[in-house]
Amino acid sequence: VQLVESGGGSEKPGGSLRLSCVASGFTFRNAWMSWVRQAPGKGPEWVGRIKNKIDGGTTEYAAPVKGRFTISRDDSKNMLYLQMNSLKIEDTALYFCTTNLGGPPSWGQGTLVTVSS
Amino acid sequence: DFRLTQSPSSLSASVGDTVTITCRASQDISSFLDWFQHKPGRLPKLLIYGASTLQSGVPPRFSGSGSGTNFTLTISTLQPEDVATYYCQAHNNIFGPGATVDIK
Repeated sequence: VQLVESGGGSEKPGGSLRLSCVASGFTFRNAWMSWVRQAPGKGPEWVGRIKNKIDGGTTEYAAPVKGRFTISRDDSKNMLYLQMNSLKIEDTALYFCTTNLGGPPSWGQGTLVTVSS
Repeated sequence: DFRLTQSPSSLSASVGDTVTITCRASQDISSFLDWFQHKPGRLPKLLIYGASTLQSGVPPRFSGSGSGTNFTLTISTLQPEDVATYYCQAHNNIFGPGATVDIK
C-alpha cells in the first residue's frame, strides 16, 4: 500500500489550495479514504472521509472544516483530493491521506500546508 | 453526531505501574478502533489496530481490548519512554481527545 500526497504550500488567509493523494497497492475504488492533519505542537485531527461508490460515495467532515473543505475522488486515476477554501491560519498543518483496509491503517508521508499573512 | 471520549484525560504513574486508558464510542463500532501514541514534535505512532492487534515493532507491554463501544489501552510495566499522549481513533473517523501519561 502506498499513499503519496502533494499540493501543499503557503497560502494567505482566505485563499485556496487543492491537495492530491495518489494511491497504489490496493483496490482504490473499494476503499473508504480519509484526510488527517497534524498542526504544529498538536495531536492528530481527522479532517474528513469519503466512502467508496458502492457505499454511496458520500463525504463527512470534521466541524472545523465543514463548509470550507471538500473531499473528492477519481477512481479511474486512483486519486483522492482535498479542496481547501477560505483557509484560516489554524489550518496550518501536515496533511495526510489515510485508509483502513482491514489491517493496520495506512498513511501517506504528508504534505505541509502553511497559512500565513 | 459520532463521538469518542477518553478517560482519564491525564494521569501520573510510577515506573513499573500498570496504566489503563479507556475510550468510549457513542455508537457501536465493532472492533474498528486504533490506538496511537503521540510525543511532542513527532508524528503519531500506531500502537494497536483493530482494537486488540499489536502493531509490528511495538513493545508487548502495550495491549488493547474491547469491542462495540468500550475499549481499553493498557500499558503494563510503565517505562519513562511511555510519557506521551494516547489517542484512540475510529476507522475513517474522529480521534478521541487524548489521554496524557506522565511519570510521578
